[in-house]
Amino acid sequence: DAKTTQPNSMESNEEEPVHLPCNHSTISGTDYIHWYRQLPSQGPEYVIHGLTSNVNNRMASLAIAEDRKSSTLILHRATLRDAAVYYCIGERDQTGANNLFFGTGTRLTVIP
Amino acid sequence: EAGVAQSPRYKIIEKRQSVAFWCNPISGHATLYWYQQILGQGPKLLIQFQNNGVVDDSQLPKDRFSAERLKGVDSTLKIQPAKLEDSAVYLCASSAGRRFLSGANVLTFGAGSRLTVL
Repeated sequence: DAKTTQPNSMESNEEEPVHLPCNHSTISGTDYIHWYRQLPSQGPEYVIHGLTSNVNNRMASLAIAEDRKSSTLILHRATLRDAAVYYCIGERDQTGANNLFFGTGTRLTVIP
Repeated sequence: EAGVAQSPRYKIIEKRQSVAFWCNPISGHATLYWYQQILGQGPKLLIQFQNNGVVDDSQLPKDRFSAERLKGVDSTLKIQPAKLEDSAVYLCASSAGRRFLSGANVLTFGAGSRLTVL
């Protein structure tokens, strides 16, 4: 598995940027880095993914270290609706079989 | 597009009883997953289907859990007999596989079915 390590919890003030770190030192060169988030009482929701270059979408940005051993999910302006558990996942490059393994994630608290 | 549908949302049973969960994936998604999420933990894969064939069921407790995906669309997950430790949220997800624009495998999850075993 492409194991990942994340802090258990983080806090952010509303309308400020949030940087959620993830270490994935065992990731291989062809493993994608995914981020999902899970709001209370809902299933996980896809946020963003990347391989080598930094990525942006309407939800967030993903900054990937040059050596690919770590990445950071950036929420540019945290809102109360962003309070969730954020999972960083290394997608194992294995055609066909399941390749997304969830850890325990980072619980983000947004303070009004 | 419609999301992944799951039912029931909540179920309370006594130990040794049986329960079944149903999932309808996103139309056209060939791959379907069942995950178990115990309170405070991340989701754990139970079984993965590709169309109506099983790709990975290595973590499915086969003595009590079973799953099927007839005709490669809907799926059911059954537990019989249930144990106290089966109390969890059962999540269904589907994906189009590694044919997403960038080549990654992106999953869409349903809201889950919460099981309480007394």
